[in-house]
Amino acid sequence: AQSVTQLGSHVSVSEGALVLLRCNYSSSVPPYLFWYVQYPNQGLQLLLKYTSAATLVKGINGFEAEFKKSETSFHLTKPSAHMSDAAEYFCAVSESTGGGSQGNLIFGKGTKLSVKP
Amino acid sequence: DADVTQTPRNRITKTGKRIMLECSQTKGHDRMYWYRQDPGLGLRLIYYSFDVKDINKGEISDGYSVSRQAQAKFSLSLESAIPNQTALYFCATSEPGPRGYTFGSGTRLTVV
Repeated sequence: AQSVTQLGSHVSVSEGALVLLRCNYSSSVPPYLFWYVQYPNQGLQLLLKYTSAATLVKGINGFEAEFKKSETSFHLTKPSAHMSDAAEYFCAVSESTGGGSQGNLIFGKGTKLSVKP
Repeated sequence: DADVTQTPRNRITKTGKRIMLECSQTKGHDRMYWYRQDPGLGLRLIYYSFDVKDINKGEISDGYSVSRQAQAKFSLSLESAIPNQTALYFCATSEPGPRGYTFGSGTRLTVV
């Protein structure tokens, strides 16, 4: 069964510092991987996705993530945090092969990012 | 108009009451989903539908039912609401393949 683990339910960084949000996945087949962002009182918005092309994926708002099969990881990074990056971030995995539930996303528990002035 | 619209945005209801949460989409997607979000638990799948005639239970379907009235409409019902169903509920749509979901803005449900 697929699963996603996000290390750290809350991460705090200073403005201008590196953002690193960790995500490890478990999947018996090659996965598709996603990062979503949720701003307060809003729905989830897709940041970026990995679909077996380039292992380094660039997303919106300066975020990127690298797929590392050997580490079963898909960590999200941003070189320089901005106050507007404060939000909750969710990593998600889905199956890449056929099956009744193909395409269903399994979400991690989320990481809240705080950015200090 | 939003691609995925959920109504109501907020609702307070009493234990034992029946309540329906509605979702409509203009994306033209066949696949629709209902998730609930609880603090510290992330999003958990309640039900999903791959087309009008295809309804499937998700991870936490007990106490919930759904209706797919049309390609664009997918409703979630709580037949007899209980306090531990207090949560933020999201509807989402997708196309087949690894394209991710489009989410609605959510319905915040409180059962007292």
